[in-house]
Amino acid sequence: AQRVTQPEKLLSVFKGAPVELKCNYSYSGSPELFWYVQYSRQRLQLLLRHISRESIKGFTADLNKGETSFHLKKPFAQEEDSAMYYCALSMDNNDMRFGAGTRLTVKP
Amino acid sequence: GAVVSQHPSWVICKSGTSVKIECRSLDFQATTMFWYRQFPKQSLMLMATSNEGSKATYEQGVEKDKFLINHASLTLSTLTVTSAHPEDSSFYICSAPGLAGVSPDEQFFGPGTRLTVL
Repeated sequence: AQRVTQPEKLLSVFKGAPVELKCNYSYSGSPELFWYVQYSRQRLQLLLRHISRESIKGFTADLNKGETSFHLKKPFAQEEDSAMYYCALSMDNNDMRFGAGTRLTVKP
Repeated sequence: GAVVSQHPSWVICKSGTSVKIECRSLDFQATTMFWYRQFPKQSLMLMATSNEGSKATYEQGVEKDKFLINHASLTLSTLTVTSAHPEDSSFYICSAPGLAGVSPDEQFFGPGTRLTVL
């Protein structure tokens, strides 16, 4: 079955520290992976997608098909990065599956 | 954790007919629910915010007369696509925020509904 797993429900780091939010997926087809972010009391926003290979707000994510992972990384976390982060999988038929989300807290 | 269900998971309809999609919070109450649409190979687009006891708030460019939203109870929101056309074919997904004071910033996503209009 198609599945997206974010193993950490909560993640807390200090400002300036590196951060990695884990995402693993299970899908036999050609996956397209996304990271969405939701800041407090704001709407869900697209952070990045693997096919664009962009770096947004200092975040990057590389699709590792061997490990079926799409971990989100940032070398130096900022307080404003505190938010809920959702990993999402888009399948060949364009249906989507979301992970349960990780709440990132960046402490001063 | 909290569970959000959607029904049906997929539906095929003829052009010109109306289709209703249900979004239910199974073990918690949701005064607000969000409806999204995903176009092929694109990111989710927020269509509207469904509010229990009041009118839905639609995003710019979304036709409120075409996409009728009714938040009938604290556990149910429905999206009705009226006079559906092939261009309405898409993947519709709903979400509900967590409990206020407990996890208000956490979103629980439904499994989505695939609509195909012939």
